[in-house]
Amino acid sequence: QNQLVQSGAEVKQTGASVKVSCRASNNSFRSFGFSWVRQAPGQGLEWLGWITAFSGDTTYSPKFQGRVTMTTETSTSTVYMDLRNLRSDDTAVYFCARDRGHYFDIWGQGTLVTVSS
Amino acid sequence: EIVLTQSPPTLSLSPGERATLSCRASQSVSTYLAWYQQKPGQAPRLLIYDVSNRATSIPARFSGSGSGTDFTLTISSLEPEDFAIYYCQQRSGWLYSFGRGTRLEIK
Repeated sequence: QNQLVQSGAEVKQTGASVKVSCRASNNSFRSFGFSWVRQAPGQGLEWLGWITAFSGDTTYSPKFQGRVTMTTETSTSTVYMDLRNLRSDDTAVYFCARDRGHYFDIWGQGTLVTVSS
Repeated sequence: EIVLTQSPPTLSLSPGERATLSCRASQSVSTYLAWYQQKPGQAPRLLIYDVSNRATSIPARFSGSGSGTDFTLTISSLEPEDFAIYYCQQRSGWLYSFGRGTRLEIK
């Protein structure tokens, strides 16, 4: 069954970093790319960037370039999203999603990241 | 960056009625236009990709249409479980963006 399982909720202080993981259950992990999307409380969806599982090539949204790093670990079928220099407006639920090239067909359950001062 | 504008922000309808949701792009997005449904506390769910293709297990009452900059999601006859927030999404170049959503609520 195709499934993405994310790591648990995090509470961080302003200026800290957070690393969220997303493990794929499908054996064809290396065939796909994965995007990260976030949703602030009561707000819409915002795309952060994507990574190809096989090569680790990345593309980041200009808004997050320099502050986000996405990596992949093929041995465990896991992708990671590292966001640095956290601010209060980074408080959001962060989703990973399987990227089919121009749409997202499978989503993780979401990880709440709370940033407080 | 391509901006997607969804309208209306809120749509109030009754079960059995037809729903028409609009998504307008600031410039042409070719055929890379998708629609998602999101319910409270859940991840988004893919409904439509490449303008008009229904995703796996999506009922036939959901349909997508449009081209260039103007796109529509139609729900032919609303079921109680269809009341949710709907987002459109596009890819242009290597970048993605989402619309701000239409909330479909029970009248």
